[in-house]
Amino acid sequence: AQKVTQAQTEISVVEKEDVTLDCVYETRDTTYYLFWYKQPPSGELVFLIRRNSFDEQNEISGRYSWNFQKSTSSFNFTITASQVVDSAVYFCALTGSARQLTFGSGTQLTVLP
Amino acid sequence: DADVTQTPRNRITKTGKRIMLECSQTKGHDRMYWYRQDPGLGLRLIYYSFDVKDINKGEISDGYSVSRQAQAKFSLSLESAIPNQTALYFCATSDETGQGGYTGELFFGEGSRLTVL
Repeated sequence: AQKVTQAQTEISVVEKEDVTLDCVYETRDTTYYLFWYKQPPSGELVFLIRRNSFDEQNEISGRYSWNFQKSTSSFNFTITASQVVDSAVYFCALTGSARQLTFGSGTQLTVLP
Repeated sequence: DADVTQTPRNRITKTGKRIMLECSQTKGHDRMYWYRQDPGLGLRLIYYSFDVKDINKGEISDGYSVSRQAQAKFSLSLESAIPNQTALYFCATSDETGQGGYTGELFFGEGSRLTVL
């Protein structure tokens, strides 16, 4: 069985602060994919990034960066210089050999002006 | 127009009523999924279908049924709705057979908010 844990239920920061959202996963598969999705207040799910298990390079996209560490089974997401528009629920997710996407419980990020 | 369309987007109903949520896609994907989202629990898989003749139960299928009418259509039914089925429901698709092979990425509809009174 696979599992994704997002221990931070809610995070609140002031605009321009950096914030890191934690994601820890469990899987027996050697080949798997990790994802981050954003769910703004409007409710839709917005795809942010996909990372496969063989690629441990960190990735940066504008103010967003991701740190994938297989040694600790973690795939953390950092927002630099947060903005009010970053306020949303963020989900980490995992899929492997069963071809089913398993989600974490989500982290509610609130960025205060 | 959205590639994955869910109808209705919002529905309020009463306990015991039969409800159908519909999903259609124009992406040509073979796989379709229904997820349920509850606050603090993330998204949980209800049913999934790898093609028209293949239907599989997910983590929380009790109280639900599905129908894959065509490659592009996948409906979720609640035969007798109950209040704890109040949730946000998402349909999603994925493509195993595409040029890039399996990537695990799901493409989501905009969600259907169901309230059972």
